[in-house]
Amino acid sequence: AQSVTQPDIHITVSEGASLELRCNYSYGATPYLFWYVQSPGQGLQLLLKYFSGDTLVQGIKGFEAEFKRSQSSFNLRKPSVHWSDAAEYFCAVGADQGAQKLVFGQGTRLTINP
Amino acid sequence: GAGVSQSPRYKVAKRGQDVALRCDPISGHVSLFWYQQALGQGPEFLTYFQNEAQLDKSGLPSDRFFAERPEGSVSTLKIQRTQQEDSAVYLCASSLSGSRISEQFFGPGTRLTVL
Repeated sequence: AQSVTQPDIHITVSEGASLELRCNYSYGATPYLFWYVQSPGQGLQLLLKYFSGDTLVQGIKGFEAEFKRSQSSFNLRKPSVHWSDAAEYFCAVGADQGAQKLVFGQGTRLTINP
Repeated sequence: GAGVSQSPRYKVAKRGQDVALRCDPISGHVSLFWYQQALGQGPEFLTYFQNEAQLDKSGLPSDRFFAERPEGSVSTLKIQRTQQEDSAVYLCASSLSGSRISEQFFGPGTRLTVL
């Protein structure tokens, strides 16, 4: 069965600083990996996804993530955060067999200091 | 709009009441998913439809939960005899593909509070 661990429940960074949110997954086959962002009272918006190919994936809003199979990780990065990036971030893993359901991590809440 | 819509956005129910939550997916999307998101947690899968067929309901927590998508578009999640532990945000998502995993587009959710 798939599982996702986001080790950091809450992270605070200063505006303009770099950001890295950690995600580790467990899945026996090739994973399909996603990062979603959720602002208060909103649904989930897809930032980026990895299905295959280049292990460095570019997403919206200046985010990128790198798939590292040897470390079972898919960490999200941004070189310079903006106050509008404050939100909850979820990593998810999906399977291409059977139901296409996503298994989500617990989430990381990002706070931006001015 | 062209996104996934859900209604109502907020629902308060007394313990023991039945509730029905509606999801309007993006037009033409084959797959539809329901997730439950408890406070401070990530979404958890409830059930999955491909067109009108419910292919996976392994995440439904009890037989009080029932979902349907009779014409392959709008879906309803029904919870009978609500309990306090049912309080959560219920998210609906749809995706274009029915055969391979693809991006899921999420609605804003319905926040259910059971008193």
